[in-house]
Amino acid sequence: QVHLQESAPGLVKPSETLSLTCAVSGTPVTSSNWWTWVRQAPGKGLEWIGEVSQSGGPHDSPVAHYNPSLSNRVTISLDKAKNQFSLKLTSLMAADTAVYYCVRGGGTDWFHFDPWGQGTLVSVSS
Amino acid sequence: QSALTQPASVSGSPGQSITISCTGTNSDIGSYKYVSWYQQPPGKAPKLIIFNVDSRPSGISYRFSGSKSGNTATLTISGLQAEDEADYFCSSYTNSVTRIFGGGTKLTVL
Repeated sequence: QVHLQESAPGLVKPSETLSLTCAVSGTPVTSSNWWTWVRQAPGKGLEWIGEVSQSGGPHDSPVAHYNPSLSNRVTISLDKAKNQFSLKLTSLMAADTAVYYCVRGGGTDWFHFDPWGQGTLVSVSS
Repeated sequence: QSALTQPASVSGSPGQSITISCTGTNSDIGSYKYVSWYQQPPGKAPKLIIFNVDSRPSGISYRFSGSKSGNTATLTISGLQAEDEADYFCSSYTNSVTRIFGGGTKLTVL
């Protein structure tokens, strides 16, 4: 059974860089899955941040896709040795305050989100 | 990319049926079978309840069903129960190789 667990950075300051990791158990991150980050601002809806997969990249390199509204600030990467994936979001602002979820976002020919991590609250404040 | 359009709230009495619509465009819902629905109780993570428009994961009640017509997907919950009170979100794959969510619908069981 696949299980995901986010790290907990807590409070970060405006203009800084957010770094989150998601530990994956039950399957290797090198499997044919899309490893995804989704966030939810307080009282708001879900926002897809982006995804990464080991499969399908040129020369066996990972492939990533990002939300166009965040693409200039976000990087999602894999750590095969630790079986985890990571999110980096630069130039933080108050509007980035949200619960951040890591999720398995699909595989070969399937594109739904399951399972979800429990979520970690990130507060951006000076 | 703009969010898929859902009603902000719906309500129903125990035992009744309700529907939640999710409207997109030809670039997402209208072009793919990859429409999914999620249930999010207060303070908890979302949970998958429908995938590929009308398929239920193992363990999800038959009372939850999905459908699609054109650019609009619909979630139906029959035989409403108090435990169904939650926020519901739809999602779709898009032709930009991205994903998109609906704004969410708050279901109140009267």
